[in-house]
Amino acid sequence: GQNIDQPTEMTATEGAIVQINCTYQTSGFNGLFWYQQHAGEAPTFLSYNVLDGLEEKGRFSSFLSRSKGYSYLLLKELQMKDSASYLCAVMDSNYQLIWGAGTKLIIKP
Amino acid sequence: ETGVTQTPRHLVMGMTNKKSLKCEQHLGHNAMYWYKQSAKKPLELMFVYSLEERVENNSVPSRFSPECPNSSHLFLHLHTLQPEDSALYLCASSQGARSGANVLTFGAGSRLTVL
Repeated sequence: GQNIDQPTEMTATEGAIVQINCTYQTSGFNGLFWYQQHAGEAPTFLSYNVLDGLEEKGRFSSFLSRSKGYSYLLLKELQMKDSASYLCAVMDSNYQLIWGAGTKLIIKP
Repeated sequence: ETGVTQTPRHLVMGMTNKKSLKCEQHLGHNAMYWYKQSAKKPLELMFVYSLEERVENNSVPSRFSPECPNSSHLFLHLHTLQPEDSALYLCASSQGARSGANVLTFGAGSRLTVL
């Protein structure tokens, strides 16, 4: 079966760096997405990786290794507003999105 | 108004009621989706409507009935629901349904409670 694994919850300190991991087993691969979802709000798109390597976008970076079925989202200079759930999703060979259960990130002052 | 708008934001209904959730997108997208989000579970795709196809998740009970009158509007009709159907129902849209970099734009969701 198809599966996405990510930690349920993580805690980090304001100003620090945190890495949220995502591992996947899917039928084929057409890209990996990260979304951010604040409590009570819509998920919003953060990044898309289809080739191996690191994509940087401001304080956020996303890494992909297709051979290892692994990705991470790196958040630098953490701010209180980064407290949210982070959703990892993989598009399989049928262009279906397979979702992880999300990682709730708690930022402490 | 821009983006994806869902109404109502909150809905409480009894098991014998009939209600509908509404979604509207102002992005010119060609695909619309209904997702179910339950606590600590992955997003569950319920239905997809696009120019290319209509896709239904076969595990979705028949008490959920979608309607897509045009590319900008999507409804989810609800009848004789069960308490386990209580969840956040998210609508989303995208340019197309079958492309790699298919970024979804989500609405804020309709929080459904079934008593």
